[in-house]
Amino acid sequence: AQRVTQPEKLLSVFKGAPVELKCNYSYSGSPELFWYVQYSRQRLQLLLRHISRESIKGFTADLNKGETSFHLKKPFAQEEDSAMYYCALKEGGATNKLIFGTGTLLAVQP
Amino acid sequence: NAGVTQTPKFQVLKTGQSMTLQCAQDMNHNSMYWYRQDPGMGLRLIYYSASEGTTDKGEVPNGYNVSRLNKREFSLRLESAAPSQTSVYFCASSRPVNEKLFFGSGTQLSVL
Repeated sequence: AQRVTQPEKLLSVFKGAPVELKCNYSYSGSPELFWYVQYSRQRLQLLLRHISRESIKGFTADLNKGETSFHLKKPFAQEEDSAMYYCALKEGGATNKLIFGTGTLLAVQP
Repeated sequence: NAGVTQTPKFQVLKTGQSMTLQCAQDMNHNSMYWYRQDPGMGLRLIYYSASEGTTDKGEVPNGYNVSRLNKREFSLRLESAAPSQTSVYFCASSRPVNEKLFFGSGTQLSVL
């Protein structure tokens, strides 16, 4: 069954500390994975996707097929990174249906 | 350019009442989606519409119906609301395949 697991409900770090938000997936095939972010009082929005191999706002995520993981990382957290982060897996087929994880709330302390 | 617009933003219903959540997008997207967001459960897909005139069930469709009125609009109807449907509802849209989802601002629904 297709599934996305985010084991941490809350991750609290201090400003300037490294951040790693964990995401593991279950998918038989070649996965397409995304990170979405929801800042306070803002809409849910795409942060990055693995096929782009991009860095957005200092965040990166590498797909590790051996460990079935797509962890989100940032070397130095900023207070403005505080938000809810969702890992998402695209279902197979021609639509953009996404399976979301349960989300991790990142709190960056000053 | 408004993007994805949802109405209402807040709603309180009594058990058994019905209501329709409205969603419209002005980006000429083919695909539209309804998700619900619950604490500890993330976002779960209720229904989606790959294109005008088509709708399909998602993960949690029971108790809901949808209408893809035209390319712009995709409404979600609760025929007989239940407390278990208390949630935050998000509408989203996208272009076909490999495109990101654009989300509305959400509707906070409480069923008493």
